[in-house]
Amino acid sequence: QQQVKQSPQSLIVQKGGISIINCAYENTAFDYFPWYQQFPGKGPALLIAIRPDVSEKKEGRFTISFNKSAKQFSLHIMDSQPGDSATYFCAASHGGYQKVTFGTGTKLQVIP
Amino acid sequence: DTAVSQTPKYLVTQMGNDKSIKCEQNLGHDTMYWYKQDSKKFLKIMFSYNNKELIINETVPNRFSPKSPDKAHLNLHINSLELGDSAVYFCASSQKGAGNTIYFGEGSWLTVV
Repeated sequence: QQQVKQSPQSLIVQKGGISIINCAYENTAFDYFPWYQQFPGKGPALLIAIRPDVSEKKEGRFTISFNKSAKQFSLHIMDSQPGDSATYFCAASHGGYQKVTFGTGTKLQVIP
Repeated sequence: DTAVSQTPKYLVTQMGNDKSIKCEQNLGHDTMYWYKQDSKKFLKIMFSYNNKELIINETVPNRFSPKSPDKAHLNLHINSLELGDSAVYFCASSQKGAGNTIYFGEGSWLTVV
């Protein structure tokens, strides 16, 4: 059962453009929503995260928008750069032991 | 210094063999995990240990057996390897508590032939 649905599967954006990745969840018990970035041959690394008590969080060029009523959240990458080319995973978790459920990943390619 | 280190990075082995992957973290975390990433990049948790105690045990074949000798180490032993076990296995660690960052190792690429 896929509890976190992520789209698109792949995304090509021109340098300087905006990259948008969307996720939807089912379990209303989720209370922490991180995004991970994974470069080829490396492990995922935390990029940015949000809790459901806020609707938006911004860190540099990266912004999470969160819609609790729709059970949806999205990652926006402003001024996308070739160095942003990676696979991005949304995720959701609840509880102290952090059983994190990952989305299926989005492969982002930023072309010059 | 690498925060979460796992060995070996690459492993090619024949069906039916038994193999182990070792993991160590130097972050002082009390919780460690094993994740499996398949060929489609899908990441799924397998096990989680908190202070050497098994906390999360997802639906994983009994051929997979984790062992945590102390809270800084979490090893994964796989018996009777099958073709479908081919994947990247990630070790990770975090401090217990909702919202604490999970740090991943660089992965162990297992290929079963």
